[in-house]
Amino acid sequence: GAGVSQSPSNKVTEKGKDVELRCDPISGHTALYWYRQSLGQGLEFLIYFQGNSAPDKSGLPSDRFSAERTGGSVSTLTIQRTQQEDSAVYLCASSEEETQYFGPGTRLLVL
Amino acid sequence: QKEVEQNSGPLSVPEGAIASLNCTYSDRGSQSFFWYRQYSGKSPELIMFIYSNGDKEDGRFTAQLNKASQYVSLLIRDSQPSDSATYLCAVKRGNTGKLIFGQGTTLQVKP
Repeated sequence: GAGVSQSPSNKVTEKGKDVELRCDPISGHTALYWYRQSLGQGLEFLIYFQGNSAPDKSGLPSDRFSAERTGGSVSTLTIQRTQQEDSAVYLCASSEEETQYFGPGTRLLVL
Repeated sequence: QKEVEQNSGPLSVPEGAIASLNCTYSDRGSQSFFWYRQYSGKSPELIMFIYSNGDKEDGRFTAQLNKASQYVSLLIRDSQPSDSATYLCAVKRGNTGKLIFGQGTTLQVKP
């Protein structure tokens, strides 16, 4: 079946602009996660949605970052007033139980 | 101290040898432990997970967990050049869904 999909695959933006990254989880998965991976680094947790519960936002690095999940399915991660240090690969994952399955990521470059 | 620590490597082994990848974690409340493989430019893919002390085998892979020592390892038997990748250790705490990742160990299997 279809895996996690993300769009766009690549995004180049100018410093100060806003960007939106989209994630389509695996159908039926109740949990959805956003992570960030900077060059040569491990994955950094950003935010986690589980069903109808309030999201765990404990990993968001600043108030410029926000995310929503509509209808318990698609999620959008928004970064406002982008900075060069926001450049990274943004990975989305979904799970039904323990195992998280990752999408291909969005590679964001802030010039 | 990082919550999940791995030696960044690179770890170089000859083809056919056993590769041993190690990971330590700081939170004794951690309950689930995961090994992901990540090829360059790709997203992480799950190799295996382990919950209980001891060994868990899956094909050429064996995960070992020692909660008293807060240590988890991954053994790859009969290493192949196609195993060359970065191996990410991840830990899940209690009832939270988020994974805390180590920075990864780069494995090089030389023909």
